[in-house]
Amino acid sequence: AQSVTQLGSHVSVSEGALVLLRCNYSSSVPPYLFWYVQYPNQGLQLLLKYTTGATLVKGINGFEAEFKKSETSFHLTKPSAHMSDAAEYFCAVSIIQGAQKLVFGQGTRLTINP
Amino acid sequence: KAGVTQTPRYLIKTRGQQVTLSCSPISGHRSVSWYQQTPGQGLQFLFEYFSETQRNKGNFPGRFSGRQFSNSRSEMNVSTLELGDSALYLCASTSGLAGGLEQFFGPGTRLTVL
Repeated sequence: AQSVTQLGSHVSVSEGALVLLRCNYSSSVPPYLFWYVQYPNQGLQLLLKYTTGATLVKGINGFEAEFKKSETSFHLTKPSAHMSDAAEYFCAVSIIQGAQKLVFGQGTRLTINP
Repeated sequence: KAGVTQTPRYLIKTRGQQVTLSCSPISGHRSVSWYQQTPGQGLQFLFEYFSETQRNKGNFPGRFSGRQFSNSRSEMNVSTLELGDSALYLCASTSGLAGGLEQFFGPGTRLTVL
């Protein structure tokens, strides 16, 4: 069975600082990995995803993530935080075959300090 | 292209009642998945429908059910509501034809059970 662990339910950074949100996964088969963002009173929006190929994945709004199989990690980074990045971020995993089922981590609430 | 729509956006019910939530996927998408989001349990997969058939199901009691129509619109029903059913219910759609697809989420229906 797949599972996802996000380290840190709350992360606070200053505007302009590096953003690092941690995600570790467990999967018995090669996974597909996703990062989604949720703004207040909205649904989830895809930031980026890893399927196969290049392990460094670039997404929207300047975010990127690196798939490290040896560490079973898929951490999300952004070099310089903006106030508009304040939101909740979810890491998710799905298996390659079968139905469209996502297993989510518990989420990390990102706060940006001016 | 219109996004995923969910109706109603907000709903207040009392214990013991039943409720039906609706989801219209993106045009051309045949897979609809439902998720429950609560502060305590996070995002949990309820079930997925593809071409009017339930293809996968999460670990929820039988009070939670769903269906999909020939136009891919989906409904989920919760019978005999309990206080713990208060949550944001999200639906997501994909074409459902391959693994690792982005799931496009609707804004959710916030259900409050009194």
